Amino acid sequence: GAVVSQHPSRVICKSGTSVKIECRSLDFQATTMFWYRQFPKQSLMLMATSNEGSKATYEQGVEKDKFLINHASLTLSTLTVTSAHPEDSSFYICSARDQWTGKYNSPLHFGNGTRLTVT
Amino acid sequence: ELKVEQNPLFLSMQEGKNYTIYCNYSTTSDRLYWYRQDPGKSLESLFVLLSNGAVKQEGRLMASLDTKARLSTLHITAAVHDLSATYFCAVDLRGGADGLTFGKGTHLIIQP
Repeated sequence: GAVVSQHPSRVICKSGTSVKIECRSLDFQATTMFWYRQFPKQSLMLMATSNEGSKATYEQGVEKDKFLINHASLTLSTLTVTSAHPEDSSFYICSARDQWTGKYNSPLHFGNGTRLTVT
Repeated sequence: ELKVEQNPLFLSMQEGKNYTIYCNYSTTSDRLYWYRQDPGKSLESLFVLLSNGAVKQEGRLMASLDTKARLSTLHITAAVHDLSATYFCAVDLRGGADGLTFGKGTHLIIQP
């Protein structure tokens, strides 16, 4: 089945540094990928929609200058948390759907997530 | 604004019992999804429901969709401990062009 690979799975960084998270679709192409954030014991909140070859679309309240998204190819989207602060500590999850097969009945495939801890 | 409400948010039950999780959403939607999440893990897809009256079953889990009532249910039959997890329903609009809107999740504990 379709697989979405996310890396790293866990990262600890110091306040003020930047962290890049990669999301790859391994066996399918995705013009659109989605980035979510999940705080402990809470639901997933959509942060932004990553569009291949164009600018990302951010949800209300998400700072685009802080969460930089690049979708340079049909299989790779990156999320960079710039100048991270402790309140950015969270579980970040990307997702994608195979754009060519089963478009209307295929689930969104989720990466394994990245647990970011900012000290 | 699309809202997705799940209930209950927390459920503790014994093995062998049956129970239903409910998912209500506020706007006409193309698709409804059910996902499972284990602690510290990402989401595992359970079901995708596309049309009114859709029913899907996998093992002890069965999901249904009533688009007129904007309601989906996830029914657990003869629960076993391995089904302990958090279950999310999610809805998308515009044929998947937008991301999913998730319910708050149902934290399910099944005690032996």
